[in-house]
Amino acid sequence: EVLLLESGGGLVQPGGSLRLACVVSGFTFRNYAMNWVRQAPGKGLQWVSVISNTAKTARYADSVQGRFTVSRDNSRDTLYLEMNSLRADDTAVYYCAKDLEGKALAATLDYWGQGTLVTVS
Amino acid sequence: AIQMTQSPSSLSASVGDRVTITCRASQVIKNDLAWYQQTPGKAPKLLIYTASNLQSGVPSRFSGSGSDTDFTLTISSLQPEDFGTYYCLQDYSYPFTFGPGTTVDIK
Repeated sequence: EVLLLESGGGLVQPGGSLRLACVVSGFTFRNYAMNWVRQAPGKGLQWVSVISNTAKTARYADSVQGRFTVSRDNSRDTLYLEMNSLRADDTAVYYCAKDLEGKALAATLDYWGQGTLVTVS
Repeated sequence: AIQMTQSPSSLSASVGDRVTITCRASQVIKNDLAWYQQTPGKAPKLLIYTASNLQSGVPSRFSGSGSDTDFTLTISSLQPEDFGTYYCLQDYSYPFTFGPGTTVDIK
């Protein structure tokens, strides 16, 4: 069974930092690109970031570029999102999600975690 | 960034109805588009990928079509469990972008 479990969310002050983690199981983590997607309360989905399976390349939404850093540890089956200079509009549930086909950088998201709430206030 | 629009923003339909949701990209994205369903309090679920491929385990009443800039998600016979919000997502170019969503409720 494929499982993704996010952690690290919580309440943080504006300008602060937070590190999210996503531990996965049930598939060969090192073979798949991984994504972060967020959803502000009562709002739609927003794609945040993607990282290749080898961690050599990553891309970001314009709104987080320069403030957020995605990384992964393939030996620990874990994806990370380092968030700095947090703002009120970063308040959201953050989901990690797996790409379906294992392409270098893609976002066909076939498995998702349950999400972790980040509140910036 | 590529802008994605969806129409309608919401709809109400009866069980058994045929439902069509449209997604439009601000520039050509070939067929790099997927559709997701989200119900309240849950993570999104992949329905259709590469515009027209049905994800494993998804009922065959769901189908997708389109290419370049115009895409459609069709539910051939709406079921009670199909309520929720539907989103399209393009992964043709960075940054990837979701549509604003279409909320479907059952009459």
